[in-house]
Amino acid sequence: QVQLQESGPGLVKPSETLSLTCTVSGASVISGSNYWSWIRQPPGKGLEWIGYIYYSGSTNYNPPLKSRVTISEDTSKNQFSLRLTSVTAADTAVYYCARGSYSGPDLRPLDYWGQGTLVTVSS
Amino acid sequence: DIQMTQSPSSLSASIGDRVTITCRASQGISNNLAWYQQKPGKAPKLLIYTASTLQSGVPSRFSGSGSGTDFTLTISSLQPEDVATYYCQKYYGAPWTFGQGTKVEIK
Repeated sequence: QVQLQESGPGLVKPSETLSLTCTVSGASVISGSNYWSWIRQPPGKGLEWIGYIYYSGSTNYNPPLKSRVTISEDTSKNQFSLRLTSVTAADTAVYYCARGSYSGPDLRPLDYWGQGTLVTVSS
Repeated sequence: DIQMTQSPSSLSASIGDRVTITCRASQGISNNLAWYQQKPGKAPKLLIYTASTLQSGVPSRFSGSGSGTDFTLTISSLQPEDVATYYCQKYYGAPWTFGQGTKVEIK
């Protein structure tokens, strides 16, 4: 059973950097079958895809966030991470990590999710 | 970038009713379309992928259809536990854009 768990500070000051980690169990972050994604949801609003990292270290980011986002992986700890720089109140959201995967040649969407962690940007 | 537009934004229906939610892509996306269910305070749950394939463990009253730009999620007989917000998502070809969501309530 694949499980994901987000961790990191719940409060970040404006202009600083938001850093979150997703710890994965039941699957490997270096597996070529998996994509590891971050998604966020501002309070009372819809879902926004942030980006993903693929096993080779390849990344893809949502264009509105691309200049501020970095997703990386720590294979020794089976974790992947999100860094979002120069945050403002608009970055206040529940942040989720999730897995997409390949089944043979077919890409499957986000089938396993973490429980989410609320990050508030405030001084 | 391709935009995903859901309708309606909310609906209210009676137990046992057939419920239909639509999702339209601004450009063709073949069948690379997923549907998720999100209950309050919980992470989204994958219901359907490749537009019409039911994820393992999802009740058969949920079904999906469509290809290209127009897609549909149908709940054949609405149950109390189906109260949630439903999102479509385009995947395969970044960005993996979500629709704005459809909130389903019981009348």
